[in-house]
Amino acid sequence: GENVEQHPSTLSVQEGDSAVIKCTYSDSASNYFPWYKQELGKRPQLIIDIRSNVGEKKDQRIAVTLNKTAKHFSLHITETQPEDSAVYFCAASKGLRQGNLIFGKGTKLSVKP
Amino acid sequence: DTAVSQTPKYLVTQMGNDKSIKCEQNLGHDTMYWYKQDSKKFLKIMFSYNNKELIINETVPNRFSPKSPDKAHLNLHINSLELGDSAVYFCASMAAGGLGYTFGSGTRLTVV
Repeated sequence: GENVEQHPSTLSVQEGDSAVIKCTYSDSASNYFPWYKQELGKRPQLIIDIRSNVGEKKDQRIAVTLNKTAKHFSLHITETQPEDSAVYFCAASKGLRQGNLIFGKGTKLSVKP
Repeated sequence: DTAVSQTPKYLVTQMGNDKSIKCEQNLGHDTMYWYKQDSKKFLKIMFSYNNKELIINETVPNRFSPKSPDKAHLNLHINSLELGDSAVYFCASMAAGGLGYTFGSGTRLTVV
């Protein structure tokens, strides 16, 4: 089955700096890669996703890149703010009826003011 | 108008008891899931239901049983609770397109 590895497990940056979180997946059939943000005591919420037919997607300060050949994808957050502090999860799935998401173990991001 | 709602939000119970967690979604989604989030924040899939049919059943103890009376509900029943069952349990639903989940607010289960 699919296995998703996520690094680093913790990341601390100064406000205004960029943050990068990296994930690798094992199943070449996976074609959908979402990222979730979970604030303390709250539910995971989708912040951005990418399908396997594109290499990059951007939404304001957040971007995701995908390298299908290497089977890795990354989350980039620019101009970080204290409210970006949370646990971030990457995930992979094959979509449609096989849409169960397999999650990475999470990255705790701390943005220091 | 919560899209995916879970009850209760907190559940404290003694070892050996039987308990249920309820989940309802008003999004019209076709598939619902249960995930367990342990103390290290790892999200592990437990079950999924698609149109009342169990399509994924990961290797969880048979003390856990999902029950779906209709497409909008997926309840989780747990028999003979153990200390190791303590975790946050999240319900989620997914639309037919298979892209992205909507999570419920979670149920924090504490077994004492």
